[in-house]
Amino acid sequence: DIVMTQSPLSLPVTPGEPASISCRSSQSLLHRSGNNYLDWYLQRPGQSPQPLIYLGSNRASGVPDRFSGSGSGTDFTLKISRVEAEDVGVYYCMQVLQTPLTFGGGTKVEIK
Amino acid sequence: EVQLLESGGDLVQPGGSLRLSCTVSGFTFSTYAMNWVRQAPGKGLEWVSSISGGGSNTYYLDSVKGRFTISRDNLKNTMYLQMNSLRAEDTAVYYCAKVDGNGVYYDYWGQGTLVTVS
Repeated sequence: DIVMTQSPLSLPVTPGEPASISCRSSQSLLHRSGNNYLDWYLQRPGQSPQPLIYLGSNRASGVPDRFSGSGSGTDFTLKISRVEAEDVGVYYCMQVLQTPLTFGGGTKVEIK
Repeated sequence: EVQLLESGGDLVQPGGSLRLSCTVSGFTFSTYAMNWVRQAPGKGLEWVSSISGGGSNTYYLDSVKGRFTISRDNLKNTMYLQMNSLRAEDTAVYYCAKVDGNGVYYDYWGQGTLVTVS
């Protein structure tokens, strides 16, 4: 199974400041198509998860452009250019290269 | 508007059975793969099972293989998860999730249904 490791576990942020979350996979997520099969989701408090980024760097529909995804192979990063209050919640990375599909443990983003 | 509505969650004793349903609207159900993802209380997300649009291909987490069965009725726009031999560690909120057209991410999620095994 592909193990997904996120850091940090918790991330206190100041509104207007940037934030960054790391995700590492135990195997390369680079598909022969040239795409990295890595997605990012945000679960706001009390809500269902919602998509942010797919295939490593593509924003899902309706996602603000302050969110960006980068990386390739086994190392990936989600960046928020300027954190807003509505960005609080738990962020998960997920590999969709092979079953069992696996999630990272989550990074809790909270306002300082 | 795309909507996914789970139902069927309940309190059940260990060894018992339960069937979850996910009824959808707002898209052509048979065209898209669907998944079940669960979240134990206070824990992270865990993929459980996937089913292709036509229903012929299914995949399972090892710990539920042989106990859970995923299925779908494309005429009723509904996906199911039959859960047998339930264990305490199956306690979780179960979400259904729609896979996007390219099969690479979950573009819509339901609100979840709580299964408690105790």
